[in-house]
Amino acid sequence: QVQLVQSGAEVKKPGASVKVSCKASGYTFTSYGISWVRQAPGQGLEWMGWISAYNGNTNYAQKLQGRVTMTTDTSTSTAYMELRSLRSDDTAVYYCARDPPNWGYGMDVWGQGTTVTVSS
Amino acid sequence: QSVLTQPPSASGTPGQRVTISCSGSSSNIGSNTVNWYQQLPGTAPKLLIYSNNQRPSGVPDRFSGSKSGTSASLAISGLQSEDEADYYCAAWDDSLNAPVFGGGTKLTVL
Repeated sequence: QVQLVQSGAEVKKPGASVKVSCKASGYTFTSYGISWVRQAPGQGLEWMGWISAYNGNTNYAQKLQGRVTMTTDTSTSTAYMELRSLRSDDTAVYYCARDPPNWGYGMDVWGQGTTVTVSS
Repeated sequence: QSVLTQPPSASGTPGQRVTISCSGSSSNIGSNTVNWYQQLPGTAPKLLIYSNNQRPSGVPDRFSGSKSGTSASLAISGLQSEDEADYYCAAWDDSLNAPVFGGGTKLTVL
């Protein structure tokens, strides 16, 4: 079955970096993109960015430009999201989602979420 | 402050029909299609409606979506207790060159 499996929970200190992985299975990885979406405690969904698994093209949310990097490894069908210079307000559950290159079809498969806690 | 505006809460009794609104602007809903997501407590979001009114395989036909101008709506008929969840709308925003989400609506089944 089509699924995305994310790496485990992380606890980081302010100023550190975190790298979350998202391993895809059950579909042709390079035919889709991956969006990353985060959700702070008790808050709504925030789109962080998108990467094409076909050619590595990226589109990052303006507020995260310069702090976030998304990459893929097609040999293992895995997407990665690295966030640097962590602050307390980066504490959230981070989700990856399968997201076609053209808008309209929706993020149709989601990972289980990775909790990132930023605390001194 | 979310780009798309949803009511923070909605409620209904079992069997009732409820609607959740999503208001945007000409740069998002007014010129692009709308998707809806359901997030049950403690779980990842799930795609409920795409392209304004299309249901992915497995989504009951009790769920329907519509769009008019710069607003969209999600309707749930024959409300069931398991529909108690948070619901989010999303649309591409041409000005931001990014997808934007509504703030979410918490649906309570009384």
